[in-house]
Amino acid sequence: DTGVSQNPRHKITKRGQNVTFRCDPISEHNRLYWYRQTLGQGPEFLTYFQNEAQLEKSRLLSDRFSAERPKGSFSTLEIQRTEQGDSAMYLCASSLDGLTSGNTIYFGEGSWLTVV
Amino acid sequence: AQKVTQAQTEISVVEKEDVTLDCVYETRDTTYYLFWYKQPPSGELVFLIRRNSFDEQNEISGRYSWNFQKSTSSFNFTITASQVVDSAVYFCALSEMITGGGNKLTFGTGTQLKVEL
Repeated sequence: DTGVSQNPRHKITKRGQNVTFRCDPISEHNRLYWYRQTLGQGPEFLTYFQNEAQLEKSRLLSDRFSAERPKGSFSTLEIQRTEQGDSAMYLCASSLDGLTSGNTIYFGEGSWLTVV
Repeated sequence: AQKVTQAQTEISVVEKEDVTLDCVYETRDTTYYLFWYKQPPSGELVFLIRRNSFDEQNEISGRYSWNFQKSTSSFNFTITASQVVDSAVYFCALSEMITGGGNKLTFGTGTQLKVEL
């Protein structure tokens, strides 16, 4: 059973460039999440997919950010016109369906973004 | 709004010492779930435990134990006989249900644990 897979693991980009991260969730998990983590802080929720539907987005997700999950399997997170403040680790996570707030969410190893 | 406070920024212990990581939370929900995750230097968040608000029984798993006290809104984590491999950042998190049944985790700022020989 493979875990959540993310790539690239590290990305250095110049300010103003676009970047895209990919996430492959655990195979039977319908729910997929993106979080962002900056140094010294805990992860912060960005967005959530149930299958291919994006059901919730945080106010942290500015209009330069777009996430997709076209076939309900892998997901991409694109950041357009990157800014230095976008430098962070972007974590993808997945979970099974459930009727409570208690489903365990499993995280990937994250994609580190450095904007120079 | 949900809030999780981990007041200890960094803790250093010598191997084999016991160490307790504190977590205090705030929520208006009557039913909720709490989690602990471990983040080693590699970056991956490793799930350790989940506890629901109806179950205040303490739990022990090997060298790990958890003390959930609803009356004080605390969910503390103890490592017994710490080892160097326990060195990591530990996060406490509180879950809330969001649109479509998903779960949104609110994390604390984490506690960096350093275990030295």
